[in-house]
Amino acid sequence: QSVLTQPPSVSAAPGQKVSISCSGSSSNIGNNYVSWYQQLPGTAPKLLIYENNKRPSGIPDRFSGSKSGTSATLGITGLQTGDEADYYCGAWDSSLSAWVFGGGTKLTVL
Amino acid sequence: EVRLVESGGGLVRPGESLRLSCAGSGFTFKTTWMNWVRQAPGKGLEWVGRIKDKSDGGTTDYAASVKGRFTISRDDSKGTLYLQMSGLKSEDTAMYYCSTSRHFWWWGQGTLVTVSS
Repeated sequence: QSVLTQPPSVSAAPGQKVSISCSGSSSNIGNNYVSWYQQLPGTAPKLLIYENNKRPSGIPDRFSGSKSGTSATLGITGLQTGDEADYYCGAWDSSLSAWVFGGGTKLTVL
Repeated sequence: EVRLVESGGGLVRPGESLRLSCAGSGFTFKTTWMNWVRQAPGKGLEWVGRIKDKSDGGTTDYAASVKGRFTISRDDSKGTLYLQMSGLKSEDTAMYYCSTSRHFWWWGQGTLVTVSS
């Protein structure tokens, strides 16, 4: 059972948009920054979003992040088949003094 | 170009020890916080621990699941991060990744550790 809760799977058609939620508590998302990671099949994870809504250079603006209270959301617009991957949220948990990841969400682009 | 190369993985028996290494290049290693993250087969990401850079005290933090068994260290002169694992259990079987910074900015390709009798 992960400290951060994500839906196990989401799906949408090419060109559509999708949102992936990440629910936590005041000890993690509520008072710390959230990051998002993309893991394509058989590869290492890749940073998509940091500090709630910032994108590293090279990450398309189709990817966006937001946070409200103890929840965060990753948004992906203009879905492409190449976006099929597992997506993870993460944040520092001040009570645990540990970084915590969500359980991951598998995105299927139908 | 940032490069992180993990090594040292393999098959070990329960209770044994293993040391993983992560060689970093293409960035200023000595001023970078470093992390270990693992992923059991077919499972999600699990943070193992981190080590801060010397200017931030060089201190370490660990996940509860490995505290007391795993030790993270760094050799800034070699640009290398280490994970010393002892008292290995079957549940430690995973791909182990090293990653840079507080945000896990860059990742290596991982090294596989299998704990089995």
